[in-house]
Amino acid sequence: GAVVSQHPSWVICKSGTSVKIECRSLDFQATTMFWYRQFPKQSLMLMATSNEGSKATYEQGVEKDKFLINHASLTLSTLTVTSAHPEDSSFYICSARMFGTASYEQYFGPGTRLTVT
Amino acid sequence: SQQGEEDPQALSIQEGENATMNCSYKTSINNLQWYRQNSGRGLVHLILIRSNEREKHSGRLRVTLDTSKKSSSLLITASRAADTASYFCATDRGGSEKLVFGKGTKLTVNP
Repeated sequence: GAVVSQHPSWVICKSGTSVKIECRSLDFQATTMFWYRQFPKQSLMLMATSNEGSKATYEQGVEKDKFLINHASLTLSTLTVTSAHPEDSSFYICSARMFGTASYEQYFGPGTRLTVT
Repeated sequence: SQQGEEDPQALSIQEGENATMNCSYKTSINNLQWYRQNSGRGLVHLILIRSNEREKHSGRLRVTLDTSKKSSSLLITASRAADTASYFCATDRGGSEKLVFGKGTKLTVNP
């Protein structure tokens, strides 16, 4: 149980285009979903927190107009990287907290590797 | 900002040996979690320890927490080649649901 999927698992796009990444909780409803970014050999940096039906909360230094987050349902959140540039190339990971539980545990997706050429 | 700092940054051991990784953090916490990440993959939750707990076990894993020193350790006993991965500690920010990750320890278990 508690499986989170991401799609696509990897994507290559050209500079200036937009890319959408989906994060789904497959067997549970997620109160909150989180989006992280990870550079090679580095740790995860929280980008934003997304709650179903409300606007995402972005961490300091993260451009909300560049990284659009939509959390349309309790099982789906999307991250759209708009007008992508090579420096946006990274590993993007989402996680989800289970609805209806006080557990602090987050369930992570397998990640999406974005390469912008 | 980075809350946790793990050490060592890299650890290489032989199968069957124990591996110990340490994590230090800066602010007060409600709980601390350890995660594992295989290369290029997502994170797998290993264990959560609450601030009022001092030690917790799960299979071959043993986690300790010393809130006075703001530090935690993860011990993997009788390591296996399949334990090769990066290990991260993550803390909440004094009760916030947000997690702050340490820099991680890259563990290599040689067969």
